[in-house]
Amino acid sequence: NAGVTQTPKFRILKIGQSMTLQCTQDMNHNYMYWYRQDPGMGLKLIYYSVGAGITDKGEVPNGYNVSRSTTEDFPLRLELAAPSQTSVYFCASRDSNTGELFFGEGSRLTVL
Amino acid sequence: QQQVKQSPQSLIVQKGGIPIINCAYENTAFDYFPWYQQFPGKGPALLIAIRPDVSEKKEGRFTISFNKSAKQFSLHIMDSQPGDSATYFCAASMGSSNTGKLIFGQGTTLQVKP
Repeated sequence: NAGVTQTPKFRILKIGQSMTLQCTQDMNHNYMYWYRQDPGMGLKLIYYSVGAGITDKGEVPNGYNVSRSTTEDFPLRLELAAPSQTSVYFCASRDSNTGELFFGEGSRLTVL
Repeated sequence: QQQVKQSPQSLIVQKGGIPIINCAYENTAFDYFPWYQQFPGKGPALLIAIRPDVSEKKEGRFTISFNKSAKQFSLHIMDSQPGDSATYFCAASMGSSNTGKLIFGQGTTLQVKP
């Protein structure tokens, strides 16, 4: 059982480039989330989805976009990368019966 | 109102000590309070969670104490071990909402010395 899988694990971008962080879960969870983690700041919610075709903004959505065409996949798109987007990004899915979030191992992004 | 404030930012204890991490919230609509544990290079994983109808919950060496009137909750780690060295996050959400969004505290880095 793979759980939540994120790719890539590491990436360096130049300012202005774009990229997509991939997230896949195999637990058939309807709820999925993207968080970013910065030192001393905890985890901040970027975007979330309550099911295929439904997405909404979290606390810090600017500079990001998401889509949810299937239950399994929830990619995060960064357009026109900026140094402020240097962070570790975590994707998670939620067991709606227990409320538990299952996280991927993270994607470390550096924008230079 | 959506914030969860966590302290301390870092903590060092000797093996066998009892580290305590505190969290405070403002939104009285929160009704689900989990703690997540994160090891370096890994994603956070659920450690223990509590709902406001109880004042304490124990799972092994980990205990959550919950004070509804003060809007505070804390994590105690009994007989701490070097393997407990990790970053701990408290969180809160409105379980009755249809989003399941968790609001996280700032995190506490715990080091347990042998």
